[in-house]
Amino acid sequence: SQQGEEDPQALSIQEGENATMNCSYKTSINNLQWYRQNSGRGLVHLILIRSNEREKHSGRLRVTLDTSKKSSSLLITASRAADTASYFCATDAPITNAGKSTFGDGTTLTVKP
Amino acid sequence: DGGITQSPKYLFRKEGQNVTLSCEQNLNHDAMYWYRQDPGQGLRLIYYSQIVNDFQKGDIAEGYSVSREKKESFPLTVTSAQKNPTAFYLCASSQGLAGGLDTQYFGPGTRLTVL
Repeated sequence: SQQGEEDPQALSIQEGENATMNCSYKTSINNLQWYRQNSGRGLVHLILIRSNEREKHSGRLRVTLDTSKKSSSLLITASRAADTASYFCATDAPITNAGKSTFGDGTTLTVKP
Repeated sequence: DGGITQSPKYLFRKEGQNVTLSCEQNLNHDAMYWYRQDPGQGLRLIYYSQIVNDFQKGDIAEGYSVSREKKESFPLTVTSAQKNPTAFYLCASSQGLAGGLDTQYFGPGTRLTVL
């Protein structure tokens, strides 16, 4: 079964608004990563947050991690039409399966101009 | 999509045929991965390789085979044993760092359709 689950499945907002996506996972992790996928394309890495970090910023992206709740959120501020894409969280595998990441089903974000 | 390429972009296969999807990377990465993505869903791991001449099954390896004879190449064969092969296939590579610090770089994908 999937380690990470994103919520909501789909999100539609107006340009300029903020978009928040959540990711929950089941087992302990070392790190959590967020990726973006434009329709019909490969995934692009956005940001990595380590288990000992609570918040991380990159441009208009803000990621939080709450290991006690086993959840993470991705906030995109001042959204643009070009942010329209699917966003996935990925968690590293337990040490016995080093090298594998597990992806959630993603949140599909639509930003209307 | 960086230094990782997949070919072809679109592939059509008749039932009962084997097909091979190509994945090449020039990033000097040790690890390579194959994922399957169905419409509206996330990625499911088919096979992965952390070093040349070695690979491991992922979550949905049945009906697929791989080889890793060269560091830069990780072809995936979809065999006739795969009952529902129509999907979007993504290849990725990474440095193979331990401790969950590994970032994967993805190719543009191959869309396979069984006729």
